Amino acid sequence: ETGVTQTPRHLVMGMTNKKSLKCEQHLGHNAMYWYKQSAKKPLELMFVYSLEERVENNSVPSRFSPECPNSSHLFLHLHTLQPEDSALYLCASSQDWDSKFEQYFGPGTRLTVT
Amino acid sequence: TQLLEQSPQFLSIQEGENLTVYCNSSSVFSSLQWYRQEPGEGPVLLVTVVTGGEVKKLKRLTFQFGDARKDSSLHITAAQPGDTGLYLCAGEGRAGNNRKLIWGLGTSLAVNP
Repeated sequence: ETGVTQTPRHLVMGMTNKKSLKCEQHLGHNAMYWYKQSAKKPLELMFVYSLEERVENNSVPSRFSPECPNSSHLFLHLHTLQPEDSALYLCASSQDWDSKFEQYFGPGTRLTVT
Repeated sequence: TQLLEQSPQFLSIQEGENLTVYCNSSSVFSSLQWYRQEPGEGPVLLVTVVTGGEVKKLKRLTFQFGDARKDSSLHITAAQPGDTGLYLCAGEGRAGNNRKLIWGLGTSLAVNP
């Protein structure tokens, strides 16, 4: 089983839709992350969960809502998005939040907001 | 604000050539990670360097961390088409009490057969 999986791989949604992105890690890691990757910008960290508790929220608009039901699964719920939210959304995991910090990424969800 | 600058932004070379890409900052980092991202995929960790002056080798890739832990380089010997991708560096810093990865914009490498 691939280390970190994400579904769907591609998503096109209108500004009034509600959708969810799913991430699953099979590495036994304790920390999970959501990143946004846009052209000509560095990777932007959106949310961090450590042992299912949110430890960081980097001023992300409320139209993005994360959920971490257990240490293996992470969701990003989307509603009333804007066209500028179109980007590649990457999920990652690491062994821990405060020691083993290397990131293991999923393949990403390419999101287009029309 | 901690920033990481990567250069060059784009590089197109022929198979068999050597190349070096750079990751520079005015800030000191606890460690620095290098990733490669292929089109349509997420970044894949290549190496982590921790000690100033450290050199690590991964087959034809040589990574070096600067003595002051502010910069790093990646040298590829005899590049192959499979080396094509976006090379990202990320430095481990601090934002208050939280550990934080500072990401560069990346160097996009194309190796032509």
